[in-house]
Amino acid sequence: QSVLTQPPSASGTPGQRVTISCSGSSSNIGSNTVNWYQQLPGTAPKLLIYSSNQRPSGVPDRISGSKSGTSASLAISGLQSEDETDYYCAVWDDSLNGPVFGGGTKLTVL
Amino acid sequence: EVQLVESGGGLVQPGRSLRLSCAASGFTFNEFAMHWVRQAPGKGLEWVSGISWNRGSIGYADSVKGRFTISRDNAKNSLYLQMNSLGAEDTALYYCAKDYRRWLHPNWYFDLWGRGTLVTVSS
Repeated sequence: QSVLTQPPSASGTPGQRVTISCSGSSSNIGSNTVNWYQQLPGTAPKLLIYSSNQRPSGVPDRISGSKSGTSASLAISGLQSEDETDYYCAVWDDSLNGPVFGGGTKLTVL
Repeated sequence: EVQLVESGGGLVQPGRSLRLSCAASGFTFNEFAMHWVRQAPGKGLEWVSGISWNRGSIGYADSVKGRFTISRDNAKNSLYLQMNSLGAEDTALYYCAKDYRRWLHPNWYFDLWGRGTLVTVSS
């Protein structure tokens, strides 16, 4: 079981807005910034959001991140078929003294 | 080209050792912390270990502490992971990842990943 809890699956229709949650504790999300990674099948993860709500260059603005208390969320609006893949939240855990990842959420575009 | 290329994976018997390497190119290797992250088949991501730019700070996941050793050679632009006492639970694709900072720090993220090298522990 991961220190960070994500729903194993999420879904939406093209054009819809979907959110993926990531729940943690005071030793991780409650005190540090959150990163989100996208992993397409058979490829390495790609940074999608850093510092809880910042987008690297090249990531479209229909993708956003937020954090409140010990939870974080990734939102994808204007859902596209290419968004169908796996998403992971990640954050530094002060108790473990290292980064931890959520279990991952598989997003399906219906 | 900015890239990380892992090597050294393969099939190894339980209890044996293996050493992974990661060759960096296209950026100033000695200015950034580096990490190993693994992914068991069909499973999620797990941070394994990290090392600061000057080897002054090193961290390990509890699952590998005492068995794995991370190191780096800045002159060779290379990162290593010595894995001892391997078990079936260590079977995974091992990624090398670049930190955007020099130090292991709570305000972190990985901005470059390699394609991974597969380690299979089986008799």
